[in-house]
Amino acid sequence: QTVVTQEPSLTVSPGGTVTLTCASSTGAVTSAYYPNWFQQKPGQAPRALIYSTSNKHSWTPARFSGSLLGGKAALTLSGVQPEDEAEYYCLLYYGGAWVFGGGTKLTVL
Amino acid sequence: QVTLKESGPTLVKPTQTLTLTCTFSGFSLSTSGVGVGWIRQPPGKALEWLALIYWDDDKRYSPSLKSRLTITKDTSKNQVVLTLTNMDPVDTATYYCAHSTVGAISAQFQHWGQGTLVTVSS
Repeated sequence: QTVVTQEPSLTVSPGGTVTLTCASSTGAVTSAYYPNWFQQKPGQAPRALIYSTSNKHSWTPARFSGSLLGGKAALTLSGVQPEDEAEYYCLLYYGGAWVFGGGTKLTVL
Repeated sequence: QVTLKESGPTLVKPTQTLTLTCTFSGFSLSTSGVGVGWIRQPPGKALEWLALIYWDDDKRYSPSLKSRLTITKDTSKNQVVLTLTNMDPVDTATYYCAHSTVGAISAQFQHWGQGTLVTVSS
């Protein structure tokens, strides 16, 4: 069974920069996995941030960026704001099926 | 403006079949590249992708739940229906539907419904 792994938790200071990663048990993540990233705050539905590795939606703040880094998909937040405190999920494509990562709880402190 | 809304029972008994409906607006499921997917989230746990149906009626399922899932669409009603058989308490979760688009070099789940909580209990 395919497993997608994210850091369980990360802490960042306001104004700082943090990178969240998304690894696949099948090997290096490439653009063919069409990495998607979502933000979820307590009691809310997930909100799409990034698709197909690095593409932003019209509502995605400029401080969010996606990339491939060291064989993983990555989400970087630059100039973190208090409102960025949330759970972040990646989603990878496996030739027909999709698999979510376990999520990263980002604390802004 | 794209909107999606999930509907269905809030409580089901073990062994019963769950039927959920996603009613959407702002896009057509007959447009090339468009799909509607289902995702669930047990209380306090991570998201789990379940199924996706495309404009051409291509259907994809989570391998671990494939034997229990069925996804169908009614394009004229702008609805997608998900059924999950043999429900168990571990299937207790918030179930979301999401609008998806795929292209030659891209794929995304850009709009989500608010979700509906389904509890499995006798």
